[in-house]
Amino acid sequence: DAGVIQSPRHEVTEMGQEVTLRCKPISGHNSLFWYRQTMMRGLELLIYFNNNVPIDDSGMPEDRFSAKMPNASFSTLKIQPSEPRDSAVYFCAVGRNEQFFGPGTRLTVL
Amino acid sequence: GNSVTQMEGPVTLSEEAFLTINCTYTATGYPSLFWYVQYPGEGLQLLLKATKADDKGSNKGFEATYRKETTSFHLEKGSVQVSDSAVYFCALSEVETGANNLFFGTGTRLTVIP
Repeated sequence: DAGVIQSPRHEVTEMGQEVTLRCKPISGHNSLFWYRQTMMRGLELLIYFNNNVPIDDSGMPEDRFSAKMPNASFSTLKIQPSEPRDSAVYFCAVGRNEQFFGPGTRLTVL
Repeated sequence: GNSVTQMEGPVTLSEEAFLTINCTYTATGYPSLFWYVQYPGEGLQLLLKATKADDKGSNKGFEATYRKETTSFHLEKGSVQVSDSAVYFCALSEVETGANNLFFGTGTRLTVIP
């Protein structure tokens, strides 16, 4: 996961609050992915971008979730309003055939 | 469609035991196949890969052979160590026009005891 930076590493918030997760990918990769991991559902692809353009957001659970990639070196995943069932580890990854994952953000919504 | 089915866990082995984690896939074209490993508190990292039939991927003593006839990519290691305790994910990728995402299995948790 060297080079893919995610922040914050841990986030605890209350239901109804807005949450923004950030990803700073390795340079030189045109594709960026957001995943969610839970014990119940495993690893789920939420959305991915090619050249900063969203290609497939069919995995985004509902309208409360949104993702942006304003440039090649930054992406955000926003949840507004957050709910307890959003509690999970969220990963950002880059790459094409082989993906490089960040360390993840552990989100807890109380 | 594309999908990956891997062996249910958890798997618990003694140190130096032989490991096999089964993985089978369904794909519409000619996928590349991967094994990723996730150590506690970390993101996934690539363990090994194979891009065409009969290729063998290997790394850190782990091996997997791309078997097109059985649509399988089983992970093996001859002698596991405590440090191999992790969750292992089988995955496939079909690079199509505008689509290059990975399809992951559900993961298999391995615990190796001394």
